[in-house]
Amino acid sequence: RKEVEQDPGPFKVPEGATVAFNCTYSNSASQSFFWYRQDCRKEPKLLMSVYSSGNEDGRFTAQLNRASQYISLLIRDSKLSDSATYLCVVGYQKVTFGIGTKLQVIP
Amino acid sequence: ETGVTQSPTHLIKTRGQQVTLRCSSQSGHNTVSWYQQALGQGPQFIFQYYREEENGRGNFPPRFSGLQFPNYSSELNVNALELDDSALYLCASSLGQTGYEQYFGPGTRLTVT
Repeated sequence: RKEVEQDPGPFKVPEGATVAFNCTYSNSASQSFFWYRQDCRKEPKLLMSVYSSGNEDGRFTAQLNRASQYISLLIRDSKLSDSATYLCVVGYQKVTFGIGTKLQVIP
Repeated sequence: ETGVTQSPTHLIKTRGQQVTLRCSSQSGHNTVSWYQQALGQGPQFIFQYYREEENGRGNFPPRFSGLQFPNYSSELNVNALELDDSALYLCASSLGQTGYEQYFGPGTRLTVT
């Protein structure tokens, strides 16, 4: 089983839609969780950290489920500019990135 | 802008050669991590430096080595280049070793022919 697993997509959604991504991790001792956004041929950029109680930043909501070992990212009211690859990141003694989920928001 | 810089931006090398990539961390950050990202994959952890000491290593052979300097900038060296080393090499800086948010530089795109 991979340390961090994501559905690579692509997820194609119309503008204004709500979309959710999940990411599962194998190490129950993992302590830190993040979502990064990566545009084509660019570096990853931090989107948000994920806290145990869940957290929200504008249209983005992140959740952590330790019992089932997954984190999620919800994007509400999708914009064309949200089109990117979303990378799940899990940390224990080292940081592990998922393969990323590609999102395409269409007009 | 994260304040993390990398040089060079692009590089073309021949199989068997050696390469050095450089990274300047964000002001105030004492930890630098290096990643290799092949096309269509997520970044793969190479190693991390914390206060000039290697602090964790991924599944990369010894021909991948690094340094961190007193100003916390860092180098990644790759010897005996192989075709499969062609990738985007990313450097990320953070305030500490684990659990801290990482901020990436723009990367160095290495092509090995």
